[in-house]
Amino acid sequence: ILNVEQSPQSLHVQEGDSTNFTCSFPSSNFYALHWYRWETAKSPEALFVMTLNGDEKKKGRISATLNTKEGYSYLYIKGSQPEDSATYLCAFRRNTGNQFYFGTGTSLTVIP
Amino acid sequence: DSGVTQTPKHLITATGQRVTLRCSPRSGDLSVYWYQQSLDQGLQFLIQYYNGEERAKGNILERFSAQQFPDLHSELNLSSLELGDSALYFCASSPWGDSNQPQHFGDGTRLSIL
Repeated sequence: ILNVEQSPQSLHVQEGDSTNFTCSFPSSNFYALHWYRWETAKSPEALFVMTLNGDEKKKGRISATLNTKEGYSYLYIKGSQPEDSATYLCAFRRNTGNQFYFGTGTSLTVIP
Repeated sequence: DSGVTQTPKHLITATGQRVTLRCSPRSGDLSVYWYQQSLDQGLQFLIQYYNGEERAKGNILERFSAQQFPDLHSELNLSSLELGDSALYFCASSPWGDSNQPQHFGDGTRLSIL
């Protein structure tokens, strides 16, 4: 069984605060890491695909970093807004088997 | 709107029955992925098809099967249904078969087994 862990499980922040959360995955046989944003009653929406150690990606106020040697990725949100409230999922794919392994997500609530 | 269409949106049936879930990928996408989300569990990868061929297989039960047709739409067949098969089933698509591209998800089919 391959474990992809996300922490914290849930997070409440005030509007305007910056926040970050973690996705941990096996450091061996890395191929790709995906981040998705999943709002309630909607379907997951792609944020980033990261493939290289040291990758940094940015989309507006959201950014992500990748460390494949130690097996983690951070997602950062700068100046959180209520519309950022969602569950953030990461998905790991290794270079054998072609399967995707999703974490259980970090649920973010931004309080106005 | 992701461009991925799943039908039906909801399905209610009984144990022992068989159902078919349908997915139309985004225009131009060759890869289709199927996922299951059961209560209190994360997304579980079931299977991937690329241009009509099976590309990757996850924790898909033997009672489940899938296929991708020449027009690239895909169907997930679930048979001998059990109560534990109640879940939200997502389809996603991407342009190619590799994992360097984001997946675009449909709205899901909610399956309820009574």
